[in-house]
Amino acid sequence: DAGVTQSPTHLIKTRGQHVTLRCSPISGHKSVSWYQQVLGQGPQFIFQYYEKEERGRGNFPDRFSARQFPNYSSELNVNALLLGDSALYLCASSSSWDRRGNTIYFGEGSWLTVV
Amino acid sequence: GESVGLHLPTLSVQEGDNSIINCAYSNSASDYFIWYKQESGKGPQFIIDIRSNMDKRQGQRVTVLLNKTVKHLSLQIAATQPGDSAVYFCAEMVWGGSEKLVFGKGMKLTVNP
Repeated sequence: DAGVTQSPTHLIKTRGQHVTLRCSPISGHKSVSWYQQVLGQGPQFIFQYYEKEERGRGNFPDRFSARQFPNYSSELNVNALLLGDSALYLCASSSSWDRRGNTIYFGEGSWLTVV
Repeated sequence: GESVGLHLPTLSVQEGDNSIINCAYSNSASDYFIWYKQESGKGPQFIIDIRSNMDKRQGQRVTVLLNKTVKHLSLQIAATQPGDSAVYFCAEMVWGGSEKLVFGKGMKLTVNP
């Protein structure tokens, strides 16, 4: 079975541009989360979506937005890119949305370089 | 604020030794914890999880211990292999309406043949 799939794997953008990153969760999973991982640090939570609704948002500016589609895939959009947005963007999926927690699986990420 | 930190930034072991990776967490209300392994250039790979109603959980060659009194997690890897070389993260789920994971900075494990 396919795991969490993300595209593109690598991309280079110029400051001020926008970027769209895509994610398909594990089959049957309805929750998608996005994380940003800067080199040398642990991932930082950006968003969680479940059943197409935003369930949580981390400490990121409004330039970051996301959405989830009826098939549970998701897009992360970042506008007005800054050099500091250069990072590995990780998508994660889980089967549901539960305060007790569910196993969360990550994709391989999209490497974004802003120049 | 929220934080999950690892006590040791690097650990070097010999192949066949047992490895222990420690982690402290700060939110006493958290009740779900996950260990991930991240190889260079890849996404975090799920290793094992544990809920706060447990003290210990075992997987294949791995054991996670949870001490809620001192807010401490550890990951034990038995008979460490070169393929275990990676950065290891502990993560704490902080519920605020979402399944938000709070990660530490990671600990690099190097296994020498």
